[in-house]
Amino acid sequence: NAGVTQTPKFRILKIGQSMTLQCTQDMNHNYMYWYRQDPGMGLKLIYYSVGAGITDKGEVPNGYNVSRSTTEDFPLRLELAAPSQTSVYFCASSYTKGPQYFGAGTRLSVL
Amino acid sequence: AQKITQTQPGMFVQEKEAVTLDCTYDTSDQSYGLFWYKQPSSGEMIFLIYQGSYDEQNATEGRYSLNFQKARKSANLVISASQLGDSAMYFCAMRDPTTGNTPLVFGKGTRLSVIA
Repeated sequence: NAGVTQTPKFRILKIGQSMTLQCTQDMNHNYMYWYRQDPGMGLKLIYYSVGAGITDKGEVPNGYNVSRSTTEDFPLRLELAAPSQTSVYFCASSYTKGPQYFGAGTRLSVL
Repeated sequence: AQKITQTQPGMFVQEKEAVTLDCTYDTSDQSYGLFWYKQPSSGEMIFLIYQGSYDEQNATEGRYSLNFQKARKSANLVISASQLGDSAMYFCAMRDPTTGNTPLVFGKGTRLSVIA
């Protein structure tokens, strides 16, 4: 029962470095999402995908890129990391408009 | 823009008592969905309960029920017989009709503390 798996769980980046946050789901969900959660706040949508090959921007897409080459995987790419990207990142998936199921999160610090 | 408001930053409840967590929402759409999630101190987001705007009955899932008042645009979460393990952040969320009714818009959350 893996569900949604995110790697890594923790990461420290230097300003200007880049990295990819991995997300994979084994529930055959067609929709996938990336959110970020800043301290004391709710989640904000970065990007989402309604199927392989289709992605769309959310509320806070600047500084990020995504791709969806398979149903299972939805990696999030950070280019030129900035301190403002220090946050907890959550990947989620759903079957169409049903409940979204979340991964355990990636805690990222940019110093 | 769609909006979710949770006016209670923190709540305390005695173990075994019931507690209501408030959520109001703002949308001009007729078709929408409302969700509640629990986030314990370990950080994961756990889906609790869902209410569709056209559902005639209030949703229930075990000790969780949703007091849905469409005219007042409120979707309060009721937890009955609170347990120590219920201590967590609780987020109300709505499907965002402006993005094809797919991603979620979240409130800022309510921190619930259950006291023994």
